[in-house]
This record gives sequence, C-alpha cells and structure tokens, in this order.
Amino acid sequence: DAMVIQNPRYQVTQFGKPVTLSCSQTLNHNVMYWYQQKSSQAPKLLFHYYDKDFNNEADTPDNFQSRRPNTSFCFLDIRSPGLGDAAMYLCATFLAGVGTGELFFGEGSRLTVL
Amino acid sequence: AQTVTQSQPEMSVQEAETVTLSCTYDTSESDYYLFWYKQPPSRQMILVIRQEAYKQQNATENRFSVNFQKAAKSFSLKISDSQLGDAAMYFCAYRSSNSGNTPLVFGKGTRLSVIA
Repeated sequence: DAMVIQNPRYQVTQFGKPVTLSCSQTLNHNVMYWYQQKSSQAPKLLFHYYDKDFNNEADTPDNFQSRRPNTSFCFLDIRSPGLGDAAMYLCATFLAGVGTGELFFGEGSRLTVL
Repeated sequence: AQTVTQSQPEMSVQEAETVTLSCTYDTSESDYYLFWYKQPPSRQMILVIRQEAYKQQNATENRFSVNFQKAAKSFSLKISDSQLGDAAMYFCAYRSSNSGNTPLVFGKGTRLSVIA
C-alpha cells in the first residue's frame, strides 16, 4: 500500500494561475519535505516541515509556499507559476529521532505550465 | 557544505552482466549515512541500499552491493546479474546524522540502461 501519496500526479496550469499540490502520508513521520526535480536533474530541496516548524531553503523563490495543517498532510502552493516552474515535485517523509536515515518518497506530481 | 558527485551521467549494461556506478562525496563530518536511490521512469524514488559511515562492512541487498571507502570518500554501487527492471535513474545521496531532520544531499544521478 502506498505510504506517501501525492495528488494530482499530473497538473497542467496556465502561466500565472495558482496551483496547489498535496501530499499525504500514513507513516506518521514528523518531517515532510518538498523537492523540485527538473528533467534529468537531481531533486532540489524547496523546504521542509519538522512537526509544525517550517524550514525554507535560502534560494527557494517566494512564489512557493507550503502548509502543513496536520501530521498527515502537506501542501505546496505555487502562487504564480512561470514556465521555469515546470517540473516534477516530490514529497518525502522522514521519522526524525530514529536512526535509519531513510526518506520515503511519493510518486511525484508533474507540473506543466502553458 | 556537503557535496555528492556522480561522474557518470549515463551507463549501460547487458542483461545478466555486472555494472558499477560511481559516487564520491565531500564532507568534514565523521558520522553520516550514504544511500543509493533508484528512480524508474515516471515512478517513485525508492531506496536501493544504505550505508552507515561508522560501519566498516559494505552493505549488501541481494544483487546490490556497495564499495564504501571512507578515507577516499567513495561510495560505488555494484549491480550483479542485471535485469531489465534495473533500468532507471540512480541517485547517490548523503545525509548527516548529526541533526534529526537534515535533508538528503543528492548527486546529479546516473541513468542506467539495460540491454536485452
């Protein structure tokens, strides 16, 4: 059974039209990450939540926001998508305090900007 | 800051043969984790194998094994008896164990093709 679920799997939007991507998890992990992955590139961390504490990467554009209303859900909001924001967005979870170090990934949401 | 380098953007291997993917990293820490993740086309990223830096023994998971050289900061992945399903993007990743929520640092990836 899927443990990290991302919706939608595919999202098409128009330039400047806001988009929200969602991530839910059944693992009860306290940390949730959002990564942006462009074609044939490594995932780039946008931000993460450690419980309710939000941690933004220094080079993440203000256009990207996130919400975590509860442990199970996390949202990525792109306020005004540009052509350069077309990418795969990956959600990952992690249980801090347990010594495996492993992140669990969802299948990703592929965003197309027209 | 830690960096991870994968010097082979693409590799190919014949089915049933063995292939080794290279990874080097740079860190000043002594305790950390290293990972190989597999990302098939349009599929989720999954963990292939994990190595704790304090362990001298190389990790092994069925057909997958690593050659961990801590002094050389090298962490290569060997895939034995390659199968068509092994075709994917492979990412080497580093994670510090000093902080509970430190994110992964990824290499740029190696695209592996398996030839029937």
